[in-house]
Amino acid sequence: EPEVTQTPSHQVTQMGQEVILRCVPISNHLYFYWYRQILGQKVEFLVSFYNNEISEKSEIFDDQFSVERPDGSNFTLKIRSTKLEDSAMYFCASSRTSSEQYFGPGTRLTVT
Amino acid sequence: QKEVEQNSGPLSVPEGAIASLNCTYSDRGSQSFFWYRQYSGKSPELIMFIYSNGDKEDGRFTAQLNKASQYVSLLIRDSQPSDSATYLCAVKGGGSYIPTFGRGTSLIVHP
Repeated sequence: EPEVTQTPSHQVTQMGQEVILRCVPISNHLYFYWYRQILGQKVEFLVSFYNNEISEKSEIFDDQFSVERPDGSNFTLKIRSTKLEDSAMYFCASSRTSSEQYFGPGTRLTVT
Repeated sequence: QKEVEQNSGPLSVPEGAIASLNCTYSDRGSQSFFWYRQYSGKSPELIMFIYSNGDKEDGRFTAQLNKASQYVSLLIRDSQPSDSATYLCAVKGGGSYIPTFGRGTSLIVHP
């Protein structure tokens, strides 16, 4: 059964550094998403991407965040200058239609 | 502000019993409803979705939707210790791709 994959599984970075989180969505899916979950809190939407552009974004997704689909398979989230409060699990998800979303295993980002 | 409310639990049930998980939502225009299971330290796993009023069954799982009362529930029959996890309710309104997640209910199934 096809799955969403994410790399790395764990990223440790220093405050102020740039990080890129990578995702490979399910191959026939057209909609891609990034979410984050701070430890013990609920899943929060960051951004959705469809037809090679951002379709929706939340207030969390400010100028320090960007997304890209550099080729036909990868979907990336870049955080330009990380802050301590960016420490969280980051989940990529994809969906074939604008409905049921399937999540990847996540990247644990630790900012020190 | 769209709200999705769940009792955080934990809900503790004995093995073999029926576990009943509830979720209420504030947006009357909500169209799609999802239940995810999340094991500790893992990602959400989609287990059920429902779009129409009534019941939808899939194996040991039944999702129940009542749009008039703005609640959706998940029943797990013959609960197993492996069902112990946090169950997330997610609700999607019309005109948006994006579901709003509840905080989740922790379920513990004890042998």
